[in-house]
Order: sequence, then structure tokens, then C-alpha cells
Amino acid sequence: DAGITQSPRHKVTETGTPVTLRCHQTENHRYMYWYRQDPGHGLRLIHYSYGVKDTDKGEVSDGYSVSRSKTEDFLLTLESATSSQTSVYFCAISEEETRNTEAFFGQGTRLTVV
Amino acid sequence: AQKVTQAQTEISVVEKEDVTLDCVYETRDTTYYLFWYKQPPSGELVFLIRRNSFDEQNEISGRYSWNFQKSTSSFNFTITASQVVDSAVYFCALRITLLYNNNDMRFGAGTRLTVKP
Repeated sequence: DAGITQSPRHKVTETGTPVTLRCHQTENHRYMYWYRQDPGHGLRLIHYSYGVKDTDKGEVSDGYSVSRSKTEDFLLTLESATSSQTSVYFCAISEEETRNTEAFFGQGTRLTVV
Repeated sequence: AQKVTQAQTEISVVEKEDVTLDCVYETRDTTYYLFWYKQPPSGELVFLIRRNSFDEQNEISGRYSWNFQKSTSSFNFTITASQVVDSAVYFCALRITLLYNNNDMRFGAGTRLTVKP
């Protein structure tokens, strides 16, 4: 199994509060991603990183920010959580910059915003 | 537009039946990659297969087989002699270009397969 750890695994938070989710990898892979999974939508890309301090927006980035200060860590922050951000969040990593490699996923974080 | 469609939301079969999960994709890229992932009830995402746009050879791995047809933009997944352990949500994904330095992976909505004993 790819060495990817997401923390926390479960979180309940109140509307309007900031929340940070952490993804830690031990594979030294260059690329890291944050996805959210919602019924009927599959997985949708929020933000991704292609190196330390190199990040960019994905398909559903509004309301989210990310940071990557070290190769192994990729943080996802909800600046002011809303109920629409209740979801399961997955971190993923991939090794090469070509399109040929698959992404490996963490165990997921279930976030509930009440 | 880059898009993956899995029209079958849910499928239910009885053990030992064969089942095919459909995946149709849209892309303007001539070079692209397709993937299948399995998400069992425990929630993790398990990589099953990767296929690039230059290789239309079908692939078989045990009870699993994949049929890639560029002419119909489809990448279907067949499970032969299904087992209860095959019960999961299956996702098809398309890898596309997202600016420089990276490639977005776009997922379908998933097909929930239930295999009954």
C-alpha cells in the first residue's frame, strides 16, 4: 500500500469555523491532490500540487485553499466551513508528470459541517 | 469538454453471474489515459487498471477483463463469475491535461455493484 496518511479521519465542525485537513505521504511523490466525493458526482478535484509551494486549482476550488511547504505534506483548508462542504475528502499522490501513472489514494476524511 | 459517464448507477446480480460496467468518455486529447478504481464498503480507493489511448488491446486479469474501444469512446469492465467480495462502487476515470506540470484525473459518478449470494 502507498504510504498516505490523512488526518483527521473524521471531523464534525460548525458552520463558519476554519478547518484544516492534512495529507502526509512517505513515498516522496511529486504530485499530490485533494478530491471530494459526493453522491452522484464521483470524485472531483479541489486543488493539486506539483511540487513544494507549487499548487493550482482544480474543478471545485471555491472555498478551499491549500499549502505544501514540504514534499510529504499537503494541507487543505476550509477558511469558513459551510454545510455544502460536508463530504468525504480524499488525498492522492502520483509519481510522474506523464499521464501514464495512476494515482494512489489515502483512506479519506469524513467531514460534517453542522 | 472532458467528461466520464457511467450511466449505470446501481447494478445487482446474483453470485456467479457475469456483469459488465459501462464507461463512456469524452476528450479532445489524442493522448489520454483511462483508469478503473474499486471502492469497497470500507471506503478506500483501489487502483485496478490503466489503459492509454494508443493501446486498444483488451486486457484480462483473472475474472476481470476490460474492453477499450476508441471508436465508441468506451472502456467497459466485465467481471466474470461474480463473487460477493466484488460488491463495491466502481469508478472509471480519464486523465487529461491541466495546464502545465500536471494532469487532472476526471472521474465518473461511479456504479454501485451488489453481488448477492
